[in-house]
Amino acid sequence: ILNVEQSPQSLHVQEGDSTNFTCSFPSSNFYALHWYRWETAKSPEALFVMTLNGDEKKKGRISATLNTKEGYSYLYIKGSQPEDSATYLCARNTGNQFYFGTGTSLTVIP
Amino acid sequence: EAQVTQNPRYLITVTGKKLTVTCSQNMNHEYMSWYRQDPGLGLRQIYYSMNVEVTDKGDVPEGYKVSRKEKRNFPLILESPSPNQTSLYFCASSHPGQMSSGANVLTFGAGSRLTVL
Repeated sequence: ILNVEQSPQSLHVQEGDSTNFTCSFPSSNFYALHWYRWETAKSPEALFVMTLNGDEKKKGRISATLNTKEGYSYLYIKGSQPEDSATYLCARNTGNQFYFGTGTSLTVIP
Repeated sequence: EAQVTQNPRYLITVTGKKLTVTCSQNMNHEYMSWYRQDPGLGLRQIYYSMNVEVTDKGDVPEGYKVSRKEKRNFPLILESPSPNQTSLYFCASSHPGQMSSGANVLTFGAGSRLTVL
């Protein structure tokens, strides 16, 4: 099993604060790193997929970076809003298989 | 609308009674996969399929079977369910393609919550 670890496990921030989470993964045999957003009672939805060391992706107030040499990715949320409250999952893709972390649960307090 | 459809969404059954959870996608995706979600463990891959008649085991295949007779369908079969298979199940699909194009991003179904008594 190729472990993907996410930290912190949960996070509470005030509306307007910026925040970030970490995803760590084995750097060997790397193919792609995915981020998904999972709201309660819904299904996970894709945010980003990154493949190259140094990749940076951005969608509105959310951005992500990738370091394949040291095996980590950061997800940043600028100016958190209550609608950002969700669990954020990262997944390591080895081509055919996906290995998910346990997620970071974000609660944004109005 | 592009989507992955799972049925049933909720099911309570008893130990040993065979059941099938269906999964269908309308995006002509080659890749389909099944996951189970358990508290504290994250999503774990059960089986995946790269294309019709091509299936392979994921991390936790024991107690499950799959088939891929058509591109759009990928049913998950529990021949003799046991209580430790009580879980939330997700089906997902993607188009493998070139990674730089954003392909291989998973589209998930709505989930099927299964309880085995």
